[in-house]
Amino acid sequence: GESVGLHLPTLSVQEGDNSIINCAYSNSASDYFIWYKQESGKGPQFIIDIRSNMDKRQGQRVTVLLNKTVKHLSLQIAATQPGDSAVYFCAEKSGGSYIPTFGRGTSLIVHP
Amino acid sequence: DGGITQSPKYLFRKEGQNVTLSCEQNLNHDAMYWYRQDPGQGLRLIYYSQIVNDFQKGDIAEGYSVSREKKESFPLTVTSAQKNPTAFYLCASSIGSAGKETQYFGPGTRLLVL
Repeated sequence: GESVGLHLPTLSVQEGDNSIINCAYSNSASDYFIWYKQESGKGPQFIIDIRSNMDKRQGQRVTVLLNKTVKHLSLQIAATQPGDSAVYFCAEKSGGSYIPTFGRGTSLIVHP
Repeated sequence: DGGITQSPKYLFRKEGQNVTLSCEQNLNHDAMYWYRQDPGQGLRLIYYSQIVNDFQKGDIAEGYSVSREKKESFPLTVTSAQKNPTAFYLCASSIGSAGKETQYFGPGTRLLVL
């Protein structure tokens, strides 16, 4: 399928390394954040979310960190595998809306 | 299995033709959404519907139309007024209540102009 990663920031890592993907958000009123993974030619897949009353949340091999002071969100992937290669993007939502705002994404390339 | 389906996977449109993209969900979600994705860009909202028989324009609704006659279905029509329709179209759904805003996406439809 066609790549959605054209002209996106790219992070290249070796298999087994830990990956950190960053996202800066602009709305200080945002209260809910989501990370998605999108493989080439497929729809985005929900990975993990976090609300603004938390600063860290862990899932299976993934951790999301939220720093509200500097409006920064990160996704950490432990022991990165070739199957993790995809575009990762964050979404933010403010309290008054149902509709999130999506970032452009970061392309993660995992080398065996 | 519960989920969101979109069809077709690829769709070809001739100049001046209207085409309709299908989106069906069996998650019992109230809210459904259509997004357009262009290479290297974030998702842009076309239309959304929070309940049956009601829908609102998103950021780039011009040249598109939708209907929401059933809870499970939210078809998108790309009309001849949309001059640059080539893109990847994504349908999503969510429970639609406060605290349940997570959107889940279908596999997408790629629209190409002949």
